[in-house]
Amino acid sequence: EAAVTQSPRNKVAVTGGKVTLSCNQTNNHNNMYWYRQDTGHGLRLIHYSYGAGSTEKGDIPDGYKASRPSQENFSLILELATPSQTSVYFCASGGRDRGLEQYFGPGTRLTVL
Amino acid sequence: GEKVEQHESTLSVREGDSAVINCTYTDTASSYFPWYKQEAGKSLHFVIDIRSNVDRKQSQRLIVLLDKKAKRFSLHITATQPEDSAIYFCAASKNAGAKLTFGGGTRLTVRP
Repeated sequence: EAAVTQSPRNKVAVTGGKVTLSCNQTNNHNNMYWYRQDTGHGLRLIHYSYGAGSTEKGDIPDGYKASRPSQENFSLILELATPSQTSVYFCASGGRDRGLEQYFGPGTRLTVL
Repeated sequence: GEKVEQHESTLSVREGDSAVINCTYTDTASSYFPWYKQEAGKSLHFVIDIRSNVDRKQSQRLIVLLDKKAKRFSLHITATQPEDSAIYFCAASKNAGAKLTFGGGTRLTVRP
């Protein structure tokens, strides 16, 4: 069974603080993704990675950084958190093959006060 | 970049009836169209997909139709059951990296 885990599951941060969201996958997938989910917007891609050491900007990368230190781990970093970044964040992993389905983690609910 | 629009934000059907969710996309280069389901309070999981080399695909009670000329695709759920109640997301991608662009989601409610 494909497995993607995220930590923390819930996080309350203060404006201007640094937040790191972590994702781990045991699927041995090359690709990993970070999305945010907001009502009315569906899922929007923030950053993604094709493998260890690589990160690519998605559709809404401003205010976020990403780090892929290994095949298994992909982090999303908010250096200076703002209330507009309050959202639910999902990590996903997927294979390299064209159109291979993505497996999603359970999500992290982030509130920035 | 690619934009995917999901036309129904909410949909309510009676148990046993069919439900149809429609999506349109803008990039003619898109060639892969998956659907994901999100049950209340849970994460998303894949349900079915279609590639641009076919115009219809069925998996049990789920049917996906693709109209490349109109840049439109749809999910048909036949003989709906209460467990079909969820938010459904359509998505599109065009390259081997499988970077997906999602629609806004449709909340489907199946009434007893």
